Amino acid sequence: DADVTQTPRNRITKTGKRIMLECSQTKGHDRMYWYRQDPGLGLRLIYYSFDVKDINKGEISDGYSVSRQAQAKFSLSLESAIPNQTALYFCATSHMGEREQFFGPGTRLTVL
Amino acid sequence: GENVEQHPSTLSVQEGDSAVIKCTYSDSASNYFPWYKQELGKRPQLIIDIRSNVGEKKDQRIAVTLNKTAKHFSLHITETQPEDSAVYFCAASISSNTGKLIFGQGTTLQVKP
Repeated sequence: DADVTQTPRNRITKTGKRIMLECSQTKGHDRMYWYRQDPGLGLRLIYYSFDVKDINKGEISDGYSVSRQAQAKFSLSLESAIPNQTALYFCATSHMGEREQFFGPGTRLTVL
Repeated sequence: GENVEQHPSTLSVQEGDSAVIKCTYSDSASNYFPWYKQELGKRPQLIIDIRSNVGEKKDQRIAVTLNKTAKHFSLHITETQPEDSAVYFCAASISSNTGKLIFGQGTTLQVKP
């Protein structure tokens, strides 16, 4: 079945470290999104991309960067991780012209 | 920008009772309102959505209503079952071109057997 996958699923890192979260999809969707989930705050959009080379900031992009290396891959980087970036991170995809978003399984990131 | 408020943050009901979750949005240009369900340890999944040209939509035990004048929409679950226990998120979207969704804060629904 076509799916959205994320690696790693869990990661513990230290303050100041650079970390990359990867998202891959086999759905053939052109749009990809990165969200973070915090208790009581819901899902907040970090960055989104319509196609390779297209990058757009979301609600909370400070401290994050992204790369869309191919249509099927969208990576999220934390250049210098800080403890308040501890959260559950979700990648999602959608097809142009359709509004349903399909989420990956999530990456739980802990910054000590 | 768009803002979505969701209430209540937690909701506990007895099996068989109904549950209602409410959301309000700020941008009158919003035209798409989905609801996602996230079971414990799982990914969010779309369960129902409504567009601004429709006032109500039903799918078996779940329904969504939209009041554009008041800028609020609600999720109704009837005859709740333990498997309905999950976190529910509402969202709003202005443009199908961007596909951007602004989510509410989430409601944790517990259905007691």
